[in-house]
Amino acid sequence: SAVISQKPSRDICQRGTSLTIQCQVDSQVTMMFWYRQQPGQSLTLIATANQGSEATYESGFVIDKFPISRPNLTFSTLTVSNMSPEDSSIYLCSVAGVVNEQFFGPGTRLTVL
Amino acid sequence: ILNVEQSPQSLHVQEGDSTNFTCSFPSSNFYALHWYRWETAKSPEALFVMTLNGDEKKKGRISATLNTKEGYSYLYIKGSQPEDSATYLCAFETQGGSEKLVFGKGTKLTVNP
Repeated sequence: SAVISQKPSRDICQRGTSLTIQCQVDSQVTMMFWYRQQPGQSLTLIATANQGSEATYESGFVIDKFPISRPNLTFSTLTVSNMSPEDSSIYLCSVAGVVNEQFFGPGTRLTVL
Repeated sequence: ILNVEQSPQSLHVQEGDSTNFTCSFPSSNFYALHWYRWETAKSPEALFVMTLNGDEKKKGRISATLNTKEGYSYLYIKGSQPEDSATYLCAFETQGGSEKLVFGKGTKLTVNP
């Protein structure tokens, strides 16, 4: 299994500002994933982050809004840019395990006013 | 667009009751079906990864079945305990093993003592 930590655990931000969420894994992993869950909605994949290459974004998500960094095999950041109240969500990072399961961080609860 | 449906949306049971919920997913391009347990303010916890039609998996009082031909999975909890209170998520992984998961909205279980 992998132990994943995220910072911050929660934040309240003003619209128009940006927030960077950090994800730290206790082991080296190739692929890291970023998800969000808007209130009342499903957990939805934003992008896949591989070390040494550009992140791959899912339909409906763009790099300008959600830039991702992946400087090494244990760390990634997701920035939520120019925030609006619609960005209020739980943001989670995850990594793939050996037998196809995924391990998730505890999430970042973001409220945009 | 892949659609994963979970029912019921929420469920209240008494301690000691057995319960079950349903996950419906596309029957084509199936690779794996994942079940997660997500307690508030904690990381989603992987329960099962199921790949074969007819699969049955068990973990303590929790078990799951899989029917890939008709596109559904059941999660059963025997003798529910208050600590089983959580949101149970299923996620569909499409053929190719991309590790990209499409989640349902979850079933929120509350077990009353």
